[in-house]
Amino acid sequence: DGGITQSPKYLFRKEGQNVTLSCEQNLNHDAMYWYRQDPGQGLRLIYYSQIVNDFQKGDIAEGYSVSREKKESFPLTVTSAQKNPTAFYLCASRGADKNIQYFGAGTRLSVL
Amino acid sequence: GENVEQHPSTLSVQEGDSAVIKCTYSDSASNYFPWYKQELGKGPQLIIDIRSNVGEKKDQRIAVTLNKTAKHFSLHITETQPEDSAVYFCAAQGPDSWGKFQFGAGTQVVVTP
Repeated sequence: DGGITQSPKYLFRKEGQNVTLSCEQNLNHDAMYWYRQDPGQGLRLIYYSQIVNDFQKGDIAEGYSVSREKKESFPLTVTSAQKNPTAFYLCASRGADKNIQYFGAGTRLSVL
Repeated sequence: GENVEQHPSTLSVQEGDSAVIKCTYSDSASNYFPWYKQELGKGPQLIIDIRSNVGEKKDQRIAVTLNKTAKHFSLHITETQPEDSAVYFCAAQGPDSWGKFQFGAGTQVVVTP
């Protein structure tokens, strides 16, 4: 099946710990995105990547880092500098139709 | 930058009635407006979209209208069914924004039998 796979579905972070959220797509899409979703709010862009080995900060990049070493993978690291990491994290990708973004099922991150 | 406002934040409708959600945007250069449906614990799914050269688009029970002059667009769901219950998000994308969307805050739609 083609699509976007996010893992894990649930993740817990201890104080001072870095955690990495996985996002893999087999759609051969060039562009990938990470969003954060908080209750009652819209999706806010953390980072995006238009092409391998290149990525740009979104609106709320502080406390997060990404890499794009392979076309199909765009992992997000939530660092200890992110003081309020509890949220639902969504990964998306965009292909030849330069408008449509396709989303994964999300990772829910909580702080222990 | 672009700012998108979405109303209402919650909407309760009787099964069979219509539901309407409205969004306004600030950047007159925005040219693509998708609507996403998100069920509990899942990622958003695109349900319909409209480009700025079109005023209305329909797909079975859902339709989207765009008023470029007033800078607002609306989602219309007719003959609502319980499976329409979800959170709906609108978004706007500008022509040079590298595919970046500005999302509305979402509308929780509850369809009661």
